Amino acid sequence: AQSVTQLDSQVPVFEEAPVELRCNYSSSVSVYLFWYVQYPNQGLQLLLKYLSGSTLVESINGFEAEFNKSQTSFHLRKPSVHISDTAEYFCAVSDHQAGTALIFGKGTTLSVSS
Amino acid sequence: DTGVSQNPRHKITKRGQNVTFRCDPISEHNRLYWYRQTLGQGPEFLTYFQNEAQLEKSRLLSDRFSAERPKGSFSTLEIQRTEQGDSAMYLCASRRTESYTFGSGTRLTVV
Repeated sequence: AQSVTQLDSQVPVFEEAPVELRCNYSSSVSVYLFWYVQYPNQGLQLLLKYLSGSTLVESINGFEAEFNKSQTSFHLRKPSVHISDTAEYFCAVSDHQAGTALIFGKGTTLSVSS
Repeated sequence: DTGVSQNPRHKITKRGQNVTFRCDPISEHNRLYWYRQTLGQGPEFLTYFQNEAQLEKSRLLSDRFSAERPKGSFSTLEIQRTEQGDSAMYLCASRRTESYTFGSGTRLTVV
């Protein structure tokens, strides 16, 4: 069975600073990896995903994540954050078997202040 | 593509009552998932359907929880004899290939 550990429950940063949200997973098989974002009082939105190929994946709003198989990590980074990035971020994993559910971490609250 | 629709958005019920939530997935998404999310936690997987077949239900929280997807389209999640600990956001997601789409959820408050 898969599991996900998000190492930081809260990350406060100032606007325009870089940020890294850490995610480690555990699985005995090959996995797909995802980052979802949840803004206050809104649903989950897919931020980016790793399925195969290049280990570095990017989102349209400047976030990127790198799949590191040896370290079983999928950390999320952004070189310069905005106030509007304030949200809850969830890392999730599923294995390659058809139909497997996404398993989520507990989430990291990113708070960006000016 | 109208997205995943969940109804109602909010439900307040008295302890001991039964509640039922509905999820309408994206059409042609044959896989449907139910999750529960409590405050400060990530979504917790409950059950999964492929078409009308419920392929995983061991993670339903108790025998008070049940789900159906009778015609392989919409799904319902029922909680019988609700308890205060059932208060949470209940999320539905549908899936095609590796693309999961989540609904906005039903927030349940048990008083």
